[in-house]
Amino acid sequence: QQQVKQSPQSLIVQKGGIPIINCAYENTAFDYFPWYQQFPGKGPALLIAIRPDVSEKKEGRFTISFNKSAKQFSLHIMDSQPGDSATYFCAASINNAGNMLTFGGGTRLMVKP
Amino acid sequence: DTAVSQTPKYLVTQMGNDKSIKCEQNLGHDTMYWYKQDSKKFLKIMFSYNNKELIINETVPNRFSPKSPDKAHLNLHINSLELGDSAVYFCASGTFSPLHFGNGTRLTVT
Repeated sequence: QQQVKQSPQSLIVQKGGIPIINCAYENTAFDYFPWYQQFPGKGPALLIAIRPDVSEKKEGRFTISFNKSAKQFSLHIMDSQPGDSATYFCAASINNAGNMLTFGGGTRLMVKP
Repeated sequence: DTAVSQTPKYLVTQMGNDKSIKCEQNLGHDTMYWYKQDSKKFLKIMFSYNNKELIINETVPNRFSPKSPDKAHLNLHINSLELGDSAVYFCASGTFSPLHFGNGTRLTVT
């Protein structure tokens, strides 16, 4: 049973576009929602994270929007660049515990020049 | 200085063989993990160790046996390899977020 559902599976945008990746969760006990970025041949690395007490968090060109009532959150990449081409994973955890981290299925993003 | 290092990076072997993947972290974390990433990029946790004690053992065949000689090392031994074991295996560490991942070991079973 997949507790965190991520869409789309793949996404192609032009440089400067704003790709949006969506995630939905079921377990209301989740209270920490990180996004990981994975480049080819590398392991995933933390990109940005949010807690449900805020509806939005922005770090540089990356923004998380969070809708607690809908149990959904999304990643927006402003002014996307070819260097943003990677696989993105949303995740959810309880008490920020690594043991309780559940990943979404991943989105392969390609940003065309 | 690599925080989480795993070796080898590539591993090609035949069905039925036994192989090991080594992982070391220099971050001082108490918890280490093994994840499997399939061809569709889906990340699935296999094992979690905290201070050398097994915490999580997902529904992984018992051909897979993790071993933690100390809290900085978590190795993965796989017996009687099968075609379906072909994947990228990631070691990670971190009791709390963020988890720090190694760069993966691509295992190909022929």
